[in-house]
Amino acid sequence: DADVTQTPRNRITKTGKRIMLECSQTKGHDRMYWYRQDPGLGLRLIYYSFDVKDINKGEISDGYSVSRQAQAKFSLSLESAIPNQTALYFCATSVTGFSDTQYFGPGTRLTVL
Amino acid sequence: QKEVEQNSGPLSVPEGAIASLNCTYSDRGSQSFFWYRQYSGKSPELIMSIYSNGDKEDGRFTAQLNKASQYVSLLIRDSQPSDSATYLCAVIGGSSNTGKLIFGQGTTLQVKP
Repeated sequence: DADVTQTPRNRITKTGKRIMLECSQTKGHDRMYWYRQDPGLGLRLIYYSFDVKDINKGEISDGYSVSRQAQAKFSLSLESAIPNQTALYFCATSVTGFSDTQYFGPGTRLTVL
Repeated sequence: QKEVEQNSGPLSVPEGAIASLNCTYSDRGSQSFFWYRQYSGKSPELIMSIYSNGDKEDGRFTAQLNKASQYVSLLIRDSQPSDSATYLCAVIGGSSNTGKLIFGQGTTLQVKP
């Protein structure tokens, strides 16, 4: 089984709908991240969490919110989806104090019509 | 100035040649440096991490770091068509960015048989 899983893997929705993307990990890592990737723009950090009670905005948090339900679960919500949120979304994890290496989930392809 | 810069390419090399991928970064306090490989539509996969000046070799891959020049590179020896992918340089910044990866836009590598 994959260490970092994301659901759904693909989602098509309409403008104005609320969407939740979920991330779960079995790596036992304390840190979790949400990124979006757009063609030509690379990976950009949306939110990150260093533990269950620590949640921080990344460089592009507007229009998004997150919830860290447990150490292993980190959800990303789009309260009212808009077309320019169409992108590939990745969750990642890392462990404090050990090499800073981040491990990525398989991604969710989101299309907002 | 972008925090992490890469030439977007594409970089085209013949099979068996050495591919050289380059990356510069702006935060002089950066401590951790990573190369990820990403196939189209897939998640980034860690290839190399490097933390101190000099070279680090792992199989056909060599990462090179020069903190004085704020430069990190990845050499791929005996390039194979399966190495064709986008290579992402990522840096964990100094005190202002602790724990957060900053990605370059990626360099697309094409290895031609």
